[in-house]
Amino acid sequence: AQKVTQAQTEISVVEKEDVTLDCVYETRDTTYYLFWYKQPPSGELVFLIRRNSFDEQNEISGRYSWNFQKSTSSFNFTITASQVVDSAVYFCALSEEGGADGLTFGKGTHLIIQP
Amino acid sequence: GAVVSQHPSRVICKSGTSVKIECRSLDFQATTMFWYRQFPKQSLMLMATSNEGSKATYEQGVEKDKFLINHASLTLSTLTVTSAHPEDSSFYICSARGRNSYEQYFGPGTRLTVT
Repeated sequence: AQKVTQAQTEISVVEKEDVTLDCVYETRDTTYYLFWYKQPPSGELVFLIRRNSFDEQNEISGRYSWNFQKSTSSFNFTITASQVVDSAVYFCALSEEGGADGLTFGKGTHLIIQP
Repeated sequence: GAVVSQHPSRVICKSGTSVKIECRSLDFQATTMFWYRQFPKQSLMLMATSNEGSKATYEQGVEKDKFLINHASLTLSTLTVTSAHPEDSSFYICSARGRNSYEQYFGPGTRLTVT
């Protein structure tokens, strides 16, 4: 069965520091999708990225970057020069069956950016 | 991007009553809708998957007679919590996926409180 592990329950850093959120996944499928979502206190999920299992290229979007390594089944997320507005709970998620299945979420990492 | 709405955003009901939550895709046809539940400070757990015109498929441990799902049209799915009890209090989030697409769009969520 699929599984997503986010070992970091809570991370607290000072503004402008870089921070990396770890995500390790387990799946028997060869075709799957990985996601990162941000959940602010309002509760609404904010989509950050989707990556399919055949695309191991790292991605950068502004201050955000993602490192996908199939060899270690990891899909880590880095925020550079963190800001207070980045404070939220971040979820990593996996969808099997080529992305047709519902998402399996990790337990989430609560990121606190202190001014 | 595609928009998914949920109604109501918040609902308080008395123990023993039933409550219906609507999930609508506003600008696309959702052939598949997913329902998730999130308890406070926990992760999102997939409850069920519904395809338009078919019976929903429930995840293990989710009572199909308690959580009635109807997906009668390509833009609307409903989740009815029957005979609600305080332990059903949770944040319920739907997502929708269009035909031939693996992109899931999440609704803003419904916070249910059973007193």
